[in-house]
Amino acid sequence: AQSVTQLDSQVPVFEEAPVELRCNYSSSVSVYLFWYVQYPNQGLQLLLKYLSGSTLVKGINGFEAEFNKSQTSFHLRKPSVHISDTAEYFCAVYFGNQFYFGTGTSLTVIP
Amino acid sequence: DTGVSQDPRHKITKRGQNVTFRCDPISEHNRLYWYRQTLGQGPEFLTYFQNEAQLEKSRLLSDRFSAERPKGSFSTLEIQRTEQGDSAMYLCASSLHPGTGPNEQFFGPGTRLTVL
Repeated sequence: AQSVTQLDSQVPVFEEAPVELRCNYSSSVSVYLFWYVQYPNQGLQLLLKYLSGSTLVKGINGFEAEFNKSQTSFHLRKPSVHISDTAEYFCAVYFGNQFYFGTGTSLTVIP
Repeated sequence: DTGVSQDPRHKITKRGQNVTFRCDPISEHNRLYWYRQTLGQGPEFLTYFQNEAQLEKSRLLSDRFSAERPKGSFSTLEIQRTEQGDSAMYLCASSLHPGTGPNEQFFGPGTRLTVL
């Protein structure tokens, strides 16, 4: 089984500041990596995914993530956050026809 | 709206009762997943279907849980003899799986179950 570790359960950040949400996974083989966002009272939405190719992946709403195989990490970044980015963010690994999700990081953008 | 829908959105039941949830995936999607999400945790895989075939079940899925997708379209998840520990959000997701590798899953809004 795979495991996904999101090191920060809560991240407060001021509006227009940069943010990084950390994600590490446990695997010695190739995996597919995803970031999902969950706004209050809504279902999960895909932000971005890494399947292969360039290790820097750009997603929606100005988010990007970098796949680092040697560190087994897939950290999510945004150079300037907005109030509307306040949400729960989940990192996920696809392996063996299953998705394995991390415990989530609650991002709170402070005006 | 042609997204994934789930019914009901909320269910309150007494311990020992049976409950059934329904998921309607995006119509052309052949894969359907069920997850459970508890407070402070990420979605936890329960089971998935490809068309009408249930291909995998989590070891966490006790024999009180059963899922069906009889015609390869909507799916139901039944929990028999509910326990307080079953209280959670039950999420459904669907995807189009043409071959190797994953495709984006589209999630429904979830059914929140409270067992008293």
